[in-house]
Amino acid sequence: GAVVSQHPSWVICKSGTSVKIECRSLDFQATTMFWYRQFPKQSLMLMATSNEGSKATYEQGVEKDKFLINHASLTLSTLTVTSAHPEDSSFYICSARGSGSSYNEQFFGPGTRLTVL
Amino acid sequence: GNSVTQMEGPVTLSEEAFLTINCTYTATGYPSLFWYVQYPGEGLQLLLKATKADDKGSNKGFEATYRKETTSFHLEKGSVQVSDSAVYFCALSPSAGNMLTFGGGTRLMVKP
Repeated sequence: GAVVSQHPSWVICKSGTSVKIECRSLDFQATTMFWYRQFPKQSLMLMATSNEGSKATYEQGVEKDKFLINHASLTLSTLTVTSAHPEDSSFYICSARGSGSSYNEQFFGPGTRLTVL
Repeated sequence: GNSVTQMEGPVTLSEEAFLTINCTYTATGYPSLFWYVQYPGEGLQLLLKATKADDKGSNKGFEATYRKETTSFHLEKGSVQVSDSAVYFCALSPSAGNMLTFGGGTRLMVKP
């Protein structure tokens, strides 16, 4: 149980385009989802926290107009990188947390590698 | 604020060697502590966790003991395998399920 998927796993796009990344909890209801960014050989940096049905809370230094997060249902959150540029190339990882004692921890998706040309 | 410090890698070991990856933390109260493993090109997998002082988390031959007196959660394994090659992250959470604070990660390379 407690599986989180991400789609796509790898995306290449041209500079200036927008890219949407989906994060799904497959077998539990995710009341909270987290979006992280990871640069090569570095640790994870929390970008934002989203609760179902409410606006995401962004970490300091993360542009909310550039990284649009939607958590419209208990099983799906999306991250849209708007007008992507090469410096946005990174590995994006989501995690999800459910409710109740069995799921009161974060479960991570496999990540999405974004390359902006 | 909360912080996690890990020993810098890479750590290179021969197969069947003993592994220790140090992790210390700074936090108020009684955080939960975690070790995550990331294989190349993949997301993070929870390796083990401990939620209170003196708890020992263990999984797949890895162990870590929550030491409040030294604010440490060192990861150990008695005999590493080539398949253990990965990046290991120590992390803490103020309470189970809340935001995670990660250490910088330690890359382990095990040679046959």
